[in-house]
Amino acid sequence: QVRLVESGGGVVPPGRSLRLSCVGSGFTFRTQAMHWVRQAPGKGLEWVAVISDDGKDDYYSDSVKGRFLISRDNSKNTLYLQMSSLSAEDSAHYYCANSHSAHEPKFDYWGQGILVTVSS
Amino acid sequence: DIQLTQSPPSLSASVGDRVTISCRASRNIDTYLNWYQKKPGQAPKLLIYGASTLQSGAPSRFRGSGSGTDFTLTISPLQPEDFATYYCQQSYSTYCTFGQGTKVEIK
Repeated sequence: QVRLVESGGGVVPPGRSLRLSCVGSGFTFRTQAMHWVRQAPGKGLEWVAVISDDGKDDYYSDSVKGRFLISRDNSKNTLYLQMSSLSAEDSAHYYCANSHSAHEPKFDYWGQGILVTVSS
Repeated sequence: DIQLTQSPPSLSASVGDRVTISCRASRNIDTYLNWYQKKPGQAPKLLIYGASTLQSGAPSRFRGSGSGTDFTLTISPLQPEDFATYYCQQSYSTYCTFGQGTKVEIK
């Protein structure tokens, strides 16, 4: 049974940093590209970032490029999202999801999501 | 970026109805179009990929069609558990994008 479990969310003041984690199980984590997708309150889904299966390539949406860093530790089946210079516009549920290729982002499995609230 | 425009933004329907949701891409994406179902408090669920292939485990009442720039998701007959928001998503580009969503509500 495939499971993706996010953690690390919470309330953070504007301008600060936060790191999200996502642990995968029930599949061969190291063979999958991994993504972060978010949904702000009352809004639609927005793709955030992707990292290749070996961690060598990463890509970001324009809205987070230069502020967020995606990484992974395949020895721990864990995906990360380091978020910095956070603003209210980054408040959202953040989901991790897999795809077979970083260049063909079809999301087979998703985590349940973790809430990030940027507020003073 | 490839823009996806879904219509309608919302619709009301009854159990047993046939529902059609449209998704238009800003340029040719071949059949790199996927459909997801999203319910409040739950993770999105992949229903259709490659424009028309039913994801394993998804009910056969969901059908996808289209290619190029125009795509359709049809649900027939609508079941009580189908009331949700549906999103199209293009996987033609590494920088994927989603449509704005279509909320299917109970009439």
